[in-house]
Amino acid sequence: GAVVSQHPSRVICKSGTSVKIECRSLDFQATTMFWYRQFPKQSLMLMATSNEGSKATYEQGVEKDKFLINHASLTLSTLTVTSAHPEDSSFYICSAGPSGGAQETQYFGPGTRLLVL
Amino acid sequence: GENVEQHPSTLSVQEGDSAVIKCTYSDSASNYFPWYKQELGKRPQLIIDIRSNVGEKKDQRIAVTLNKTAKHFSLHITETQPEDSAVYFCAASKGGSYIPTFGRGTSLIVHP
Repeated sequence: GAVVSQHPSRVICKSGTSVKIECRSLDFQATTMFWYRQFPKQSLMLMATSNEGSKATYEQGVEKDKFLINHASLTLSTLTVTSAHPEDSSFYICSAGPSGGAQETQYFGPGTRLLVL
Repeated sequence: GENVEQHPSTLSVQEGDSAVIKCTYSDSASNYFPWYKQELGKRPQLIIDIRSNVGEKKDQRIAVTLNKTAKHFSLHITETQPEDSAVYFCAASKGGSYIPTFGRGTSLIVHP
């Protein structure tokens, strides 16, 4: 089946620093990847759609300069949380569906737990 | 856009009992309804899905029913086991290139 990986699985950083999270599709190519944020005991909140070779599409209320997304290849998307603050602490999950296939079924990465001190 | 409501937010049952989670959707064009299970600290995983051309689908202890007219669908888990404890998300999609819209999730707790 389709496998999506994320790295790192967890990260602790100081307030004001930037953190990069990688999302990789291991056995398929993904023109589009999605980034979600999940607070404890809450649902998946779609943050942005990452498009290979072009700019990401951000959901309303998500700061594009705060959450930088780069999708440089068909198997890798990165999310950089810039100048992180404690309120950015959360569980970040990416997902993808095979290029050329239906996006209705999404395969999720294992998530990255970010803690900003 | 699509709006998916999910109830209850928390469901506590005894081992062996059945559990039912209900969702409603707003966009009549939605035609694909997946259910995901997320264990604590792990990724959501697809457990069952249903398309709008069928009313019910079953896979061992889990089943999903769909009422297109009323725009609601439900997840049924029979003979629950402690390992069924997790957060369950319903979702609705117009299929094809449309990504699903997720419900808020139901935390299922199965007591031994």
